[in-house]
Amino acid sequence: AQSVTQPDIHITVSEGASLELRCNYSYGATPYLFWYVQSPGQGLQLLLKYFSGDTLVQGIKGFEAEFKRSQSSFNLRKPSVHWSDAAEYFCAVDRGSGTASKLTFGTGTRLQVTL
Amino acid sequence: DGGITQSPKYLFRKEGQNVTLSCEQNLNHDAMYWYRQDPGQGLRLIYYSQIVNDFQKGDIAEGYSVSREKKESFPLTVTSAQKNPTAFYLCASSLTVNSNQPQHFGDGTRLSIL
Repeated sequence: AQSVTQPDIHITVSEGASLELRCNYSYGATPYLFWYVQSPGQGLQLLLKYFSGDTLVQGIKGFEAEFKRSQSSFNLRKPSVHWSDAAEYFCAVDRGSGTASKLTFGTGTRLQVTL
Repeated sequence: DGGITQSPKYLFRKEGQNVTLSCEQNLNHDAMYWYRQDPGQGLRLIYYSQIVNDFQKGDIAEGYSVSREKKESFPLTVTSAQKNPTAFYLCASSLTVNSNQPQHFGDGTRLSIL
């Protein structure tokens, strides 16, 4: 069965500093990988996705993520954090090509931004 | 504007009562999903539907029921058999049920027990 680990429950960064949120997955084949963001009391918004090809993917709001097969990781990065980035971030893995969706989420990382 | 509408935003249930959460989408998506979110946990799949008049149990279906009579609508009923219903419920949809179709989420319904 697939699984996702987000080892950091809570991260605090200063506005303007760089950010990296960690995500490790477990899946027997090549997965599809996603990062979602959730503001308090809101639904989830898709930041970016990886299916295949270039292992560095660009998303919305200046975020990017890098797929590293050897490390089973899909870390989310942003070079300069804005106060509006404060939210909860979820990494998710789905089964790969030719299958019905079974999206599995990590437990989330709450990002706090200090001014 | 296309999107997913969940209502109500807040819902209160008395002990022994069934309640129904609404989810409507105008994205013309075939697949729809219901998730439950508890503090400190990721989202867990309750039910999903690939097409009209079809639905499948997810990982935590006990105490819940759904219907899919229209493409646009996928209501979730939390029955009295669900012993711990207090949670944030999220509805999602995708173009098809294939895993290469990202899921889009509504803004959720928070259910509390009186």
